[in-house]
Parts: sequence; structure tokens; C-alpha cells
Amino acid sequence: ETGVTQTPRHLVMGMTNKKSLKCEQHLGHNAMYWYKQSAKKPLELMFVYNFKEQTENNSVPSRFSPECPNSSHLFLHLHTLQPEDSALYLCASSQDLRTSFLEQYFGPGTRLTVT
Amino acid sequence: SQKIEQNSEALNIQEGKTATLTCNYTNYSPAYLQWYRQDPGRGPVFLLLIRENEKEKRKERLKVTFDTTLKQSLFHITASQPADSATYLCALDVNYGGSQGNLIFGKGTKLSVKP
Repeated sequence: ETGVTQTPRHLVMGMTNKKSLKCEQHLGHNAMYWYKQSAKKPLELMFVYNFKEQTENNSVPSRFSPECPNSSHLFLHLHTLQPEDSALYLCASSQDLRTSFLEQYFGPGTRLTVT
Repeated sequence: SQKIEQNSEALNIQEGKTATLTCNYTNYSPAYLQWYRQDPGRGPVFLLLIRENEKEKRKERLKVTFDTTLKQSLFHITASQPADSATYLCALDVNYGGSQGNLIFGKGTKLSVKP
């Protein structure tokens, strides 16, 4: 499998549930990202990991908890979400965070609906 | 804080014409600026990156310009085709000279090319 994959592609969860989103990249990259895309709003950066270390947390509520066990895998653990958290969650990767390797490669996203 | 504006929410053009999309930013000039294409229900796809010391970049039918005086980038698609119909996103780095990889995105311009 090539590129960036995300599972599940669709998720419906209640506000009291706990679920996890998974992202895997097969590009040999060292930086990985989580973004949120809501209707009529621009992509919002949530978290950045470089060589498994978190380098950015863009003031994301604690009900979103990222995990990066290695450079190829990234998780987003979800618990006690709100309906306004319904959105398309996109994972991306790039070579690393050095200036020459900044184009990002995105997965297809997970469409999350919180009921 | 840095803001990005893509002036047109939607752009309709005839097949064969040149599509020109605009991206304006406020505040400081970014070290680089990127353009992505996003199709419905899918993640963005990287198209072009232009650095602050470059005036113009080309790739096949695509051309990007970067004017740091006007704080503007223009994205051109020449000889447009219906298959070019998509939403095009402008993105730039948040922290000039600081942590790399932290992009902010515009809301995008939805391009429709009619046969």
C-alpha cells in the first residue's frame, strides 16, 4: 500500500464514547500532522510530530489526545466529544520539518459525526 | 496574527481558458507558500511550492507567482479542462524563521471548468 492511509473512513460516535482514529504513512517520512476540516472553514492544524516528538499543539481541547508510537503511525484518541467536533479529520506527513521538505501528503480523511 | 484570504469562493470558467486564483496574506511575508488541490471527500494534494526569493514557478499547465510587495500569490491553470474542477487551497507557514511545517490554509476557491 502506498501513500497515507486513514481508518476508519467514517465514524459515528456518541458524546460519551471513546474511539481512536488511525493514520499510517508508507512514504518513509518523519513528520506527521493532524488537521480538522469543518464545513465552510479552512483546514485547522491540530498537532505536529517530528521524529515521534510532538512539536506543536495548536490549543486543541484535551478531549483530543494524539499518539505517535513511531514515525509511520499516528493516532488520535477521542473521548467525550461534542457535536461541534463533527468534521473531516485529515492526517498528513512530510519528509521532516527542514525547509527543503515541506510539501505535505494527505490521507483521505475520517468523516466523524458526533451525535 | 497571520491571515490568509482567497478572494473568490467560487470561480466558473470555460474550457480552454486560463483560470487565475488569488491568495492574499496579511502581516509578514512567509518563507514559502504552497498550493493544494482538494476534490470532494478527499484529502488535499500538493501541487506547487514557491519560496520568498522566487518570483514564479511552473509545472506543466500550472504557474504560481509570489509578490511579497503586494503580499499576494497568483495561481494560474492554462488551457483549463473539466478535470481541473476542484477546490484549490493556498497555504503558508505560520512561524517565519521558527518552527517549520506549521501551515495555515485559506478557505479555498472552488473552480468549475465548463466544457
